[in-house]
Amino acid sequence: DSGVTQTPKHLITATGQRVTLRCSPRSGDLSVYWYQQSLDQGLQFLIQYYNGEERAKGNILERFSAQQFPDLHSELNLSSLELGDSALYFCASSVDGGGAYEQYFGPGTRLTVT
Amino acid sequence: GENVEQHPSTLSVQEGDSAVIKCTYSDSASNYFPWYKQELGKRPQLIIDIRSNVGEKKDQRIAVTLNKTAKHFSLHITETQPEDSAVYFCAVRGGNNRLAFGKGNQVVVIP
Repeated sequence: DSGVTQTPKHLITATGQRVTLRCSPRSGDLSVYWYQQSLDQGLQFLIQYYNGEERAKGNILERFSAQQFPDLHSELNLSSLELGDSALYFCASSVDGGGAYEQYFGPGTRLTVT
Repeated sequence: GENVEQHPSTLSVQEGDSAVIKCTYSDSASNYFPWYKQELGKRPQLIIDIRSNVGEKKDQRIAVTLNKTAKHFSLHITETQPEDSAVYFCAVRGGNNRLAFGKGNQVVVIP
């Protein structure tokens, strides 16, 4: 157990819908990272928050957004869902904002868009 | 952005043999190089990492070697066991302070 929690574990929804994925980092970690993992794309970095503020942005679509709250948990919002958004979504946390230390991954949320 | 490539994409080895996976990167300012192991249906977990001021690091049956001049680093697993079967991801922290992951190597250890 990494100490990072993600809910829900599984999510099945229809195209065009909107969902929210939730992540709680390890105690003491200030950074939260979101990744998308699909079969042929490996781990794609989406976005990073550090202590409530956006720190880095990767290949995140405009239909996706995220935020980090004062208690440091984070939410990833996915809207106007398409079939291609079906994937495993991981969040990870680390103590620093610079990416120089280990990122601890949560168990992931498996999103299926039908 | 950082371009990270892993080779081979799939590697099958006999139990007890060694496995070597290579990762190449493009940003010469990169300074942190972790390897993650992901078992089927589970989360990625860090197994070893190396920083740019070190050429080699070892932890029991696992080692990582770094060649900064050639911009590649390799994961070495000795005396492979069935539980080593997994997908291994290399990652690189470049000058933008972002961790970029490779697409992963599937390692299959044949008993």
